[in-house]
Amino acid sequence: EAQVTQNPRYLITVTGKKLTVTCSQNMNHEYMSWYRQDPGLGLRQIYYSMNVEVTDKGDVPEGYKVSRKEKRNFPLILESPSPNQTSLYFCASSFRQTGDLKGYGYTFGSGTRLTVV
Amino acid sequence: QQQVKQSPQSLIVQKGGISIINCAYENTAFDYFPWYQQFPGKGPALLIAIRPDVSEKKEGRFTISFNKSAKQFSLHIMDSQPGDSATYFCAASKPYGGATNKLIFGTGTLLAVQP
Repeated sequence: EAQVTQNPRYLITVTGKKLTVTCSQNMNHEYMSWYRQDPGLGLRQIYYSMNVEVTDKGDVPEGYKVSRKEKRNFPLILESPSPNQTSLYFCASSFRQTGDLKGYGYTFGSGTRLTVV
Repeated sequence: QQQVKQSPQSLIVQKGGISIINCAYENTAFDYFPWYQQFPGKGPALLIAIRPDVSEKKEGRFTISFNKSAKQFSLHIMDSQPGDSATYFCAASKPYGGATNKLIFGTGTLLAVQP
């Protein structure tokens, strides 16, 4: 089954304790991205990756890191989490959207609900 | 800066009625406008999408209406059913260049269809 798998689904942590949220896709997608979803703010992009070893900041990158060492994996790292990073996080992937491939939808994971206390 | 504005924030519709969600955008370079549907505990899923060269696209009970001059697009759900109860997001993206795949999302509409 084609899917994006995120782990863990739920995570409660304390301020300052480093954590990693994993994301893996099995569709050979070039493009992967992390979003956070907050009430009233919709989905905001944190980081994205166009391919292996190619990553760039989205709209709200502060306090986050990512890496793309393999095509299928795109972990999100919070080196020193703070309470304002309490949110619902989604990983998404798609084929590169150029020319006739435009319109290939994102496939989203099921989300990771992070609480930082 | 909110580049895609979505309204209403929440919507209650009776079963069999028409649900209408509106979005407005600012950047005339946007060339792809999808709608995503999200059920509780799930990630968003692509529902329907349109390009600015057409004014309407219909898939089953779901229709996108697009007004390029007004920079607005809307989702119409005909014969709304309780199973349509979900959060709906509009989005927009730019042509190739820079963040090729980047989707800019609206703030979401929580739709409740009452039986």
